[in-house]
Amino acid sequence: SYELTQPPSVSVSPGQTARITCSGDALPKKYPYWYQQKSGQAPVLVIYEDSKRPSGIPERFSGSSSGTMATLTISGAQVEDEADYYCYSTDSSGNHWVFGGGTKLTVL
Amino acid sequence: QVQLQESGPGLVKPSQTLSLTCTVSGGSISSGSYYWSWIRQPAGKGLEWIGRIYTSGSTNYNPSLKSRVTISVDTSKNQFSLKLSSVTAADTAVYYCARDPRWLPGWFDPWGQGTLVTVSS
Repeated sequence: SYELTQPPSVSVSPGQTARITCSGDALPKKYPYWYQQKSGQAPVLVIYEDSKRPSGIPERFSGSSSGTMATLTISGAQVEDEADYYCYSTDSSGNHWVFGGGTKLTVL
Repeated sequence: QVQLQESGPGLVKPSQTLSLTCTVSGGSISSGSYYWSWIRQPAGKGLEWIGRIYTSGSTNYNPSLKSRVTISVDTSKNQFSLKLSSVTAADTAVYYCARDPRWLPGWFDPWGQGTLVTVSS
C-alpha cells in the first residue's frame, strides 16, 4: 500500500528555520496537505495543495514540492509551533489516502 | 457552521465489532459535495485514515483495513457511521470523524473532538 515518509523529529532554536520533508511516489502528481497537531487536540491544516495557506495560518508557514518530495518550511519558528506535523496525500488512484508517520517539531 | 460529534461505546471486547456514529449539526449531510471521513490515532502514535463516504454513498477504504471496515450514511438522522469488525488491541485509538470537500479533498474541516475506543476484555 502507498506510504508517505517523514523524519520522526526535527529540532530548531526559536527564530530558526524548520524544514520537514515528506516523500512519496505519487507526490509529483498528487498534492500534499500538511497538518499541525498539538497535544490533545485535533489536527489543523496549515498548508494545502503544495503551498497554499488557509486563512489564519501565519505567513511563516510555507510549502513546496520537488519530484517525490514535499517540504513544509517554518521560517522563524516560534515556541508555539512545537507540535507534531503530518503530511497527507493520496495514491495515484486518488481513492486511497494516507498520512505520513508524523514529525515531532521541537523549538527550544 | 457545521459541527461533528462522535459517539459510541468506549470499550469493545476483542473479536467484536466497533461501532461509532458521527452526528452532523449546523448543516445537512446530504447537501453539497463532501466526503465524510473516519481517521484514528492510537495513543502516542500517528494519524491513520480509515476511509470515507461521499454524499452519493460511494465509499473508499484504507486497503489495510478494507476487509473489516464499513462506512455508511443515514441522511434521515444526519449521521454517518463506522463499523470495524474483528477488533484487537491494535484497534485501540482515538477515532475522529471529519469532512472534506470534493473540490479540495484532503482539507479536513471540521473535525469531531475525537472519541477514545479501547479494545479489551
